[in-house]
Amino acid sequence: EPEVTQTPSHQVTQMGQEVILRCVPISNHLYFYWYRQILGQKVEFLVSFYNNEISEKSEIFDDQFSVERPDGSNFTLKIRSTKLEDSAMYFCASRYGIPNQPQHFGDGTRLSIL
Amino acid sequence: AQSVTQPDIHITVSEGASLELRCNYSYGATPYLFWYVQSPGQGLQLLLKYFSGDTLVQGIKGFEAEFKRSQSSFNLRKPSVHWSDAAEYFCAVGAHHQGAQKLVFGQGTRLTINP
Repeated sequence: EPEVTQTPSHQVTQMGQEVILRCVPISNHLYFYWYRQILGQKVEFLVSFYNNEISEKSEIFDDQFSVERPDGSNFTLKIRSTKLEDSAMYFCASRYGIPNQPQHFGDGTRLSIL
Repeated sequence: AQSVTQPDIHITVSEGASLELRCNYSYGATPYLFWYVQSPGQGLQLLLKYFSGDTLVQGIKGFEAEFKRSQSSFNLRKPSVHWSDAAEYFCAVGAHHQGAQKLVFGQGTRLTINP
């Protein structure tokens, strides 16, 4: 069965540094998402992406965050200047184009900011 | 605004016992509802989904859930749990926005299985 893959599985970064989290969605999916889960808290929506533009973003997704689909397969989340509070598990998800299809999640990238 | 409440943070059941995990949602329109399971160090795996039609939906691993509009609930059930069911369970509602359908998750319920 096709999977969403995320790399790296764990990223350790110094505060203030830029970080890029990478995702390869399922190949025929059209909607792409990033979520995050701070340790011990609920999974929170960050951003959705369709047709090469952001469909919706949450209040968390401020100017420090950006997303890109640089080619036909990758979907990236960039945090420009990381803060301690950005430490979390980041999940990528993708969904086929019709409404009654669920989102499929990757295994996540654990981001640790020092 | 959409929200999901899972009242039980942690539940412990014995292997072979029945299980019910509670989920209540708040959403203005007809909801899309989901249950996901997360094993330690793993991603979110879809257990089952409700979009429309039959209010009792069957999922993987022997799980089922029942949508009750009058109670705004979507409780997850399993008649007999196995030790491998120990995990974190998340209920979510799909909130529509220009087709993108973001998920709003509950806090999660951690399930422990006693041998």
